[in-house]
Amino acid sequence: GIQVEQSPPDLILQEGANSTLRCNFSDSVNNLQWFHQNPWGQLINLFYIPSGTKQNGRLSATTVATERYSLLYISSSQTTDSGVYFCAVEKTSGSRLTFGEGTQLTVNP
Amino acid sequence: NAGVMQNPRHLVRRRGQEARLRCSPMKGHSHVYWYRQLPEEGLKFMVYLQKENIIDESGMPKERFSAEFPKEGPSILRIQQVVRGDSAAYFCASSPLSVANTEAFFGQGTRLTVV
Repeated sequence: GIQVEQSPPDLILQEGANSTLRCNFSDSVNNLQWFHQNPWGQLINLFYIPSGTKQNGRLSATTVATERYSLLYISSSQTTDSGVYFCAVEKTSGSRLTFGEGTQLTVNP
Repeated sequence: NAGVMQNPRHLVRRRGQEARLRCSPMKGHSHVYWYRQLPEEGLKFMVYLQKENIIDESGMPKERFSAEFPKEGPSILRIQQVVRGDSAAYFCASSPLSVANTEAFFGQGTRLTVV
């Protein structure tokens, strides 16, 4: 099956700092989504981004499908950004999202 | 438009009992997916269903686990004779089309604890 690797596995920031999270995948994809799992366990949709660039407030994402990676940018981080960020992909003609192991982000005040 | 609704949020079962987890997809969504998340791990696919049909159950254990999505009512994930290793968070997702073509949305999960 398709492999999804996220880096870094852990990231600790001071409030106000910027960060870049990376997601590499091993095969062509039709779907790529970024999620934030907050400390209460809820999965929140951040971006649906099989290709291109999108921005939503302090967050933006870029997927370069031909090179099989996606980046999630967080600017001016806040303590509420803490949690685990997951990348999930669907392989062409597949039927399920395959998740990476996530990046655990801690933002300290 | 209500999101994906899962219940119960927390479920405690003794070893050997049955667990029934429910998922109501978003309005207009006919594709449902179940995932399992073990502590400190990512989400692992279990089963993909459309109304009255199981499309892909390749991620679901062959024994004790079953899933359905009837014509009326929520999707049900059923775990018979639970064991401690079944303790996990179970998430349901729904989409209007296959995830090959559209965004999937997740419920808040059911946290199963087997004692």
